[in-house]
Amino acid sequence: QVHLQESGPGLVKPSETLALTCTVSGGSISTYYWSWIRQPPGKGLEWIGYIDHSGSTTYNPSLKSRVTISVDTSKNQFSLKMNSVTAADTAAYFCARVGRNYFGYYYMDVWGKGTTVTVSS
Amino acid sequence: DIQMTQSPSSLSASVGDRITITCRASQSISNYLNWYQQKPGKAPNLLIYAASTLQSGVPSRFSGSGSGTDFTLTISNLQPEDFASYYCQQSYSTHLYTFGQGTKLEIK
Repeated sequence: QVHLQESGPGLVKPSETLALTCTVSGGSISTYYWSWIRQPPGKGLEWIGYIDHSGSTTYNPSLKSRVTISVDTSKNQFSLKMNSVTAADTAAYFCARVGRNYFGYYYMDVWGKGTTVTVSS
Repeated sequence: DIQMTQSPSSLSASVGDRITITCRASQSISNYLNWYQQKPGKAPNLLIYAASTLQSGVPSRFSGSGSGTDFTLTISNLQPEDFASYYCQQSYSTHLYTFGQGTKLEIK
């Protein structure tokens, strides 16, 4: 059974870089796409982007200029970096596996528990 | 960008009720529509994908339907553990996944 666990600082100063890692256990990262999603307090879900095992990425255009997602297959991990953060980036950040069925439908079927990041001086 | 609009934003119901949540896409997404349940302080949980396919382990009282722009999530015989928030998400546009704003289901 695949498990995902986010890790990283819970507090980041404005204008600095948010850096989170998602560790995949119980399965190989070398299949599927892997995604980051965030949720500001009391609000809805926002997709940030995804990466495949080869390192090919797709980002939400609204965040693309500030976001980098990378993968380390040797550690079975993928990571999120977001630069120039502001208070608006305060949110719970989730990593998730992007599953795919035989007919080509994609869905996020395994999620980490999430980690809360607060942007504050 | 494909916008997803859910209605209602909140809903009160009783145990045993049957409820329906609607999700509308700003353009046709065929049946590339997923539904998630989220409980407070927890990660979302996939309920339904491809508009109507129940994810493994999800109770059969959950069902989904629709195609094109209009979709519904129905929960029959509501159980206490079903009171949560529900989100739709389109995967038609693979360069930008988008979610609905969510529907909070509360106990009446």
